[in-house]
Amino acid sequence: GAGVSQTPSNKVTEKGKYVELRCDPISGHTALYWYRQSLGQGPEFLIYFQGTGAADDSGLPNDRFFAVRPEGSVSTLKIQRTERGDSAVYLCASSFSGGNEQFFGPGTRLTVL
Amino acid sequence: GIQVEQSPPDLILQEGANSTLRCNFSDSVNNLQWFHQNPWGQLINLFYIPSGTKQNGRLSATTVATERYSLLYISSSQTTDSGVYFCAVPSDYKLSFGAGTTVTVRA
Repeated sequence: GAGVSQTPSNKVTEKGKYVELRCDPISGHTALYWYRQSLGQGPEFLIYFQGTGAADDSGLPNDRFFAVRPEGSVSTLKIQRTERGDSAVYLCASSFSGGNEQFFGPGTRLTVL
Repeated sequence: GIQVEQSPPDLILQEGANSTLRCNFSDSVNNLQWFHQNPWGQLINLFYIPSGTKQNGRLSATTVATERYSLLYISSSQTTDSGVYFCAVPSDYKLSFGAGTTVTVRA
């Protein structure tokens, strides 16, 4: 597709479960970013990939959160032992390279019951 | 990190009115993005504007990097302009967002 895509669009899980969120960036974009948006706030940075490697993971809140991008395209954000406080919209963005204009996907709304 | 402040937090407009949204940031930046988040949550790119003025239809933006602010102008507002407007600036490639301005345009 032409834009950034994310799946699933909605995910409801129970406290303590494991979830995976997927992001397909714009074709040819080497930089990929994950953000988290809570209700009424702006998105907050989680992690930035340049190619296959995580260039900056300083925004990950704790070691329950992990992300991969094994082939330098699709990325998966993984959350272990989910907590109710993890409920938010998780946004993925990509850019031609780091520092260029970022384009966002539609997000995955995660609800932890 | 860079602090980003947006004003006003809320704006109610009558259809056809003009408005100005402001974004202040705490440090020097080499680019700035304006987004419109529609009611379905999609962030739509409006402007990528490190300095100067750009126009796109009824919208225009001006960034004065030396004074650390940017302005977004909406002219002849329409109900489809409703939503949240965010500005964001980069710090080490990651974007720092303001809290947004919620715009409601009434018919």
